[in-house]
Amino acid sequence: AQSVTQLGSHVSVSEGALVLLRCNYSSSVPPYLFWYVQYPNQGLQLLLKYTTGATLVKGINGFEAEFKKSETSFHLTKPSAHMSDAAEYFCAVSEQYGGSQGNLIFGKGTKLSVKP
Amino acid sequence: NAGVMQNPRHLVRRRGQEARLRCSPMKGHSHVYWYRQLPEEGLKFMVYLQKENIIDESGMPKERFSAEFPKEGPSILRIQQVVRGDSAAYFCASSLAIQETQYFGPGTRLLVL
Repeated sequence: AQSVTQLGSHVSVSEGALVLLRCNYSSSVPPYLFWYVQYPNQGLQLLLKYTTGATLVKGINGFEAEFKKSETSFHLTKPSAHMSDAAEYFCAVSEQYGGSQGNLIFGKGTKLSVKP
Repeated sequence: NAGVMQNPRHLVRRRGQEARLRCSPMKGHSHVYWYRQLPEEGLKFMVYLQKENIIDESGMPKERFSAEFPKEGPSILRIQQVVRGDSAAYFCASSLAIQETQYFGPGTRLLVL
């Protein structure tokens, strides 16, 4: 079964520093890949997604992620953190084929703190 | 274009009562997904519905939980005889088609006393 691992349940960076949130998936067939952000007591907002094509994907709010098939990874980065980036970030996958396609499988999330 | 709407936003029930959670998808979306988020956990898929049909309910507990998406009106997630372990945030998402982007609602936070 598909699984998603997010390394680090909490990440803290200083304002202006690089943000790196790690995500690895387990699948023999590359799935579709997503990053969502969740602010307190709100729903999830899509940051970016990878389906096919260019492996470096640019999303909203200056975030980007790179699909690396050989490493089964889809790490999220942002060159310079802003205070407003403090939130919880979820990596998710969905299968391209089969009965479960469309269902999102989420990692446990990484809470990002940004220090002034 | 209104986003995905869920109500109520907060719901308190006593053990043994029923909980009904409603989800109105984005306009034009006919695919609805329900997810449950337990404290300190990521979201877990529960059920995927299209209008009047359950497509995949592999994530639904076998007992007490049911879901529907009628031809008219919102999708309903129903939990009968709630227990404390049902306390969680329940999120609904909708999409235009399978594999299209899922847009999430704000969630319903269920507390069972």
